[in-house]
Amino acid sequence: QKEVEQNSGPLSVPEGAIASLNCTYSDRGSQSFFWYRQYSGKSPELIMSIYSNGDKEDGRFTAQLNKASQYVSLLIRDSQPSDSATYLCAVDGYGGSQGNLIFGKGTKLSVKP
Amino acid sequence: DARVTQTPRDKVTEMGQEVTMRCQPILGHNTVFWYRQTMMQGLELLAYFRNRAPLDDSGMPKDRFSAEMPDATLATLKIQPSEPRDSAVYFCASGFYGEIAFFGQGTRLTVV
Repeated sequence: QKEVEQNSGPLSVPEGAIASLNCTYSDRGSQSFFWYRQYSGKSPELIMSIYSNGDKEDGRFTAQLNKASQYVSLLIRDSQPSDSATYLCAVDGYGGSQGNLIFGKGTKLSVKP
Repeated sequence: DARVTQTPRDKVTEMGQEVTMRCQPILGHNTVFWYRQTMMQGLELLAYFRNRAPLDDSGMPKDRFSAEMPDATLATLKIQPSEPRDSAVYFCASGFYGEIAFFGQGTRLTVV
């Protein structure tokens, strides 16, 4: 059973701080990795995708991938109260771009003003 | 403003009744997904289609769930008969290959 694990939180950080969200996955063959943000009562929305080892930056967001350690992380710099949401990590389940995306249960982030 | 449209947004039904959920994916996307979200299980993949052909429906209880994509603008998810344990939020999503670009707003299903 392929799994994606996330700390459920809540993770509480002060406004302006760096929030660090982590995710581990079980399938060593996975090649596609995604972070989604879900506000309470809303649908998930895509924030970042990453396919290669290393860092990928997009504005205040940085995704980090380490395939050897089967670890993906998301850093949010200069956290804002509007970043308060649940962050979902998703990993392809068939070791390629097939479409079988497996989601973690999410980490709830709370940014305190 | 491209979006995935789901109907109905909310559905309350009695156990044993048939439920049909509809989804209009974003035109041009080649993959359509159906997910179910609960507090306990999180997001679970039920089925997905590539170019309207079903690729995987192993996440669905086959005896009661069925998913179809009769044309490029419509995907359906049916539950017959419905049971209280089916109560959840059902999301349709579309994208390219293994990337979900957009989720619909979801159908909140309550089976009493």
